[in-house]
Amino acid sequence: QVELQESGPGLVKPSETLSLICSVSGASISSDYWSWIRQPAGKGLEWIGRIFGSGATDYNSSLKSRITMSVDTSKNQVSLKLNSVTAADTAVYYCARDHDSWFDPWGQGSLVTVSS
Amino acid sequence: SYVLTQPPSVSVAPGKTARITCGGNDIEGKSVHWYQQKSGQAPVLVIYYDIDRPSGIPERFSGSNSGNTATLTISRVEPGDEADYYCQVWDTKSDHVIFGGGTKLTVL
Repeated sequence: QVELQESGPGLVKPSETLSLICSVSGASISSDYWSWIRQPAGKGLEWIGRIFGSGATDYNSSLKSRITMSVDTSKNQVSLKLNSVTAADTAVYYCARDHDSWFDPWGQGSLVTVSS
Repeated sequence: SYVLTQPPSVSVAPGKTARITCGGNDIEGKSVHWYQQKSGQAPVLVIYYDIDRPSGIPERFSGSNSGNTATLTISRVEPGDEADYYCQVWDTKSDHVIFGGGTKLTVL
């Protein structure tokens, strides 16, 4: 059974960098895509981007200039960095196993608030 | 960019059938996936590749895709089906994942 768990600071200051880690158990990250998706409170889902176990990435063009995704195969983890954050980046951030177009399973989500 | 349009809300009585639509230009040419998100929880995949159901999802959940509309159908609706439902596609033109705006299903 594949399980994903997001972790990282719950509070980030404006203009700083949001950093999250997705720890994967039950599957090797090397052989799949892994996506990040976010959801502001009371709003819909927004795809941030994805990374393959080899390190290849696809990013949402609206966020591309601020995103960095990476993999750590030794720890079976995927990471997300989003720089120059503003209040508009406040959201629950999910990682999900990406079956090359659909997502299953999802992590429980990590709430990140951007505030001074 | 490609746009998916869902009704904001759908209401249905217990035991009846709920149909949640997802509109998009020539959406039948794309694979549509559906997620259920209960309050305070992460989304859960309920239908993938238009009609396939993951293990553990009841047969009451089914999908279809034709023309400009994909539909998630929930038969014999139960109170536990009350949730937000999102459709999703991969847009090959932009190489982007696209989500619909979500539909809140209310069980009366």
